[in-house]
Amino acid sequence: AQRVTQPEKLLSVFKGAPVELKCNYSYSGSPELFWYVQYSRQRLQLLLRHISRESIKGFTADLNKGETSFHLKKPFAQEEDSAMYYCALIQRSARQLTFGSGTQLTVLP
Amino acid sequence: EAGVVQSPRYKIIEKKQPVAFWCNPISGHNTLYWYRQNLGQGPELLIRYENEEAVDDSQLPKDRFSAERLKGVDSTLKIQPAELGDSAVYLCASSLSNTLQDTDTQYFGPGTRLTVL
Repeated sequence: AQRVTQPEKLLSVFKGAPVELKCNYSYSGSPELFWYVQYSRQRLQLLLRHISRESIKGFTADLNKGETSFHLKKPFAQEEDSAMYYCALIQRSARQLTFGSGTQLTVLP
Repeated sequence: EAGVVQSPRYKIIEKKQPVAFWCNPISGHNTLYWYRQNLGQGPELLIRYENEEAVDDSQLPKDRFSAERLKGVDSTLKIQPAELGDSAVYLCASSLSNTLQDTDTQYFGPGTRLTVL
């Protein structure tokens, strides 16, 4: 069965510091990985997907199949990055998203 | 574009009562999903529709939960009777494609927060 693990429930960093939100997955096939974000009082929305290989709002994430990880990184955190971040995996044929339990990021001034 | 619309936004009921949630997906989106999100957890899929057909309902507790998408547009999720453990946020999402070769972005609604007393 597929599983997504986000080991940190809470993460606090100071503005301007680098930030890394960890995500590990277990899946026997070829996964597609996503990061979703939920800002305060807003709906869950897609931040980025590994297949696009793009940087969104300064965030990047690299799929490491050897370590089965998909960590989200940003070199200089901003206060507006404070939000709940969910890593998710999709099985291509079933198109069922499996979410991690989320990491609440707080960027301190 | 209003995005995915859900109602009600909040619902408080007593256990053993029935409750229904409504979702209107983004116009033109063939695929509709219902998720349940327990406190401190990520969303978990309950059921997925391709047009009006439920193609994945393996996670739906069928003894008390039911769902329908009669005309392939909006959808209703029902719980009857509700139990204390059903307290959660119920999320609806939709995506454009219904082809097996594509994993389209899922767009989420604001959710319905259910409290069962």
